[in-house]
Amino acid sequence: GQQVMQIPQYQHVQEGEDFTTYCNSSTTLSNIQWYKQRPGGHPVFLIQLVKSGEVKKQKRLTFQFGEAKKNSSLHITATQTTDVGTYFCAGTYTGNQFYFGTGTSLTVIP
Amino acid sequence: DVKVTQSSRYLVKRTGEKVFLECVQDMDHENMFWYRQDPGLGLRLIYFSYDVKMKEKGDIPEGYSVSREKKERFSLILESASTNQTSMYLCASSLGGFAEQYFGPGTRLTVT
Repeated sequence: GQQVMQIPQYQHVQEGEDFTTYCNSSTTLSNIQWYKQRPGGHPVFLIQLVKSGEVKKQKRLTFQFGEAKKNSSLHITATQTTDVGTYFCAGTYTGNQFYFGTGTSLTVIP
Repeated sequence: DVKVTQSSRYLVKRTGEKVFLECVQDMDHENMFWYRQDPGLGLRLIYFSYDVKMKEKGDIPEGYSVSREKKERFSLILESASTNQTSMYLCASSLGGFAEQYFGPGTRLTVT
């Protein structure tokens, strides 16, 4: 069935290093969203991408949507301890189907 | 700010009990959602509702039912709780469709 695969499951980085998480779908997505969940918290919406090849930036975060609308990435430049948490992508498919990825847990070592 | 509240942060129930999880949102959102979150599995959609008295099955509806009698309130019901329903349950709401979702703090349910 349709689902969104997300890798890696875990990532440990030194503070100041970059971080990237990837989402892949076997079928075309209508759009993709990204959420961040801090430890002990609830998911918080970051952004939605809709167009093929779209790139959006939020300060040190860069979000990309692939040309075929089957993959997406979130890149964080120069991580900080405040970036700690789990990052989820979530994809919408035609036919009103919606799936979260399994998440990437980011640990930042000071 | 949108506020989504859930009736309990922690809940312990026995196998076979009927369990009600309540969710209330204060922003007049059309859509409401129930997810469960388990380690390594992400968030899985149980049910969602796009209007009062309307409901749609998500990915894992088995063992659950829902009720939406008022626009601001969406309830998740476990008719007969089982140990494999031990999980974190998250409620969310959105203005429409699967647009930007606002989540509640979650209810950690333990079934013993």
